[in-house]
Amino acid sequence: AQKVTQAQTEISVVEKEDVTLDCVYETRDTTYYLFWYKQPPSGELVFLIRRNSFDEQNEISGRYSWNFQKSTSSFNFTITASQVVDSAVYFCALSEDFYGGSQGNLIFGKGTKLSVKP
Amino acid sequence: SAVISQKPSRDICQRGTSLTIQCQVDSQVTMMFWYRQQPGQSLTLIATANQGSEATYESGFVIDKFPISRPNLTFSTLTVSNMSPEDSSIYLCSVGLANSYEQYFGPGTRLTVT
Repeated sequence: AQKVTQAQTEISVVEKEDVTLDCVYETRDTTYYLFWYKQPPSGELVFLIRRNSFDEQNEISGRYSWNFQKSTSSFNFTITASQVVDSAVYFCALSEDFYGGSQGNLIFGKGTKLSVKP
Repeated sequence: SAVISQKPSRDICQRGTSLTIQCQVDSQVTMMFWYRQQPGQSLTLIATANQGSEATYESGFVIDKFPISRPNLTFSTLTVSNMSPEDSSIYLCSVGLANSYEQYFGPGTRLTVT
């Protein structure tokens, strides 16, 4: 069965601190896709990253970085030098399907609410 | 990329009534998905809507309660029928574009049932 676990329900940091959001997944498929989305207080879902199971290279995008480790079934997300605008709920998600070239449905974790205080 | 709009953006409805939510995409897509996000919770897939076929519902969701239409490749509707306060949620549609790894989400419809 597929499952995504985000054990951290809420995290509070002070601006400029680094913070890591944990994500552990379960799947029986050898091909799968992992995502991170940001949901600010306004409610829209903002796509951050997508990785496939064959690409374990870590990725950095500005202050954001992602650590994908198949050995521990983890896909952790680090924000460096956090800012108040990073305050949001962050969701990790898993997809096992890729139909005819388009992404199938996502299985979401429960989300981690990040509060960055000035 | 895809631009997705949803109508209405929010509504307050009476118990026992029904609400139809519209999802419009600015490009043709094969697969559309409907998710529910209950207050303070994560997103849960309601159903997958492919054009030209019946929607496929996830466990716990039934067609009588959440009928879906998919008349063409850019549009879908989700109806929340015989509403109760437990249906108060944000309902989001999403699409996967051909040859794109991203799944795009609409802005959501915030439903409150009184």
